[in-house]
Amino acid sequence: TQLLEQSPQFLSIQEGENLTVYCNSSSVFSSLQWYRQEPGEGPVLLVTVVTGGEVKKLKRLTFQFGDARKDSSLHITAAQPGDTGLYLCAGGGSNYKLTFGKGTLLTVNP
Amino acid sequence: DTGVSQDPRHKITKRGQNVTFRCDPISEHNRLYWYRQTLGQGPEFLTYFQNEAQLEKSRLLSDRFSAERPKGSFSTLEIQRTEQGDSAMYLCASSPPGYLTLRKSAFFGQGTRLTVV
Repeated sequence: TQLLEQSPQFLSIQEGENLTVYCNSSSVFSSLQWYRQEPGEGPVLLVTVVTGGEVKKLKRLTFQFGDARKDSSLHITAAQPGDTGLYLCAGGGSNYKLTFGKGTLLTVNP
Repeated sequence: DTGVSQDPRHKITKRGQNVTFRCDPISEHNRLYWYRQTLGQGPEFLTYFQNEAQLEKSRLLSDRFSAERPKGSFSTLEIQRTEQGDSAMYLCASSPPGYLTLRKSAFFGQGTRLTVV
């Protein structure tokens, strides 16, 4: 069974601070996706990474896929209250299913 | 087309009743998935359709659960004889051909929040 562990589980920071959240597994994934979810809503796709060592930037968000394709990180620069939400990583294997972590609940205080 | 649509958004039902949820995927997407998410957890895979064929069912999907996608377009998820443990967010997602292998991604609907009382 493939498992994804996310850390930290909860993170509360002040506006303007930087942060990094992690997604780790003992299994290799062919791709990794990051989603953001707000209360009562479905997950919204942020990025998909497929190549080991790949780095993608989306405005103030930087995503990295580990060289061995077992882990990933999400770095947010100068966090804003609008970044508040549950950040989920999901690994895709040779099949079509996504395996999700439990998420990191981020709160950015004004 | 604005994305994956789920109906209803919220459902409150009494234990023992049957409920049915509907999912309308993005029109050009041939793959459709159902996931379940409980509080404090990430979504868990339930079942998967490619066109009208249901290709896999998770062990989480007990005999009380059934899903259909009769014409390869919309899908329904029915839960019979609901139990309190069925309370969760039920999420539908769809993806196009070449999913994952060509950097194409799965897109989720807003979910149906089920509360069994």
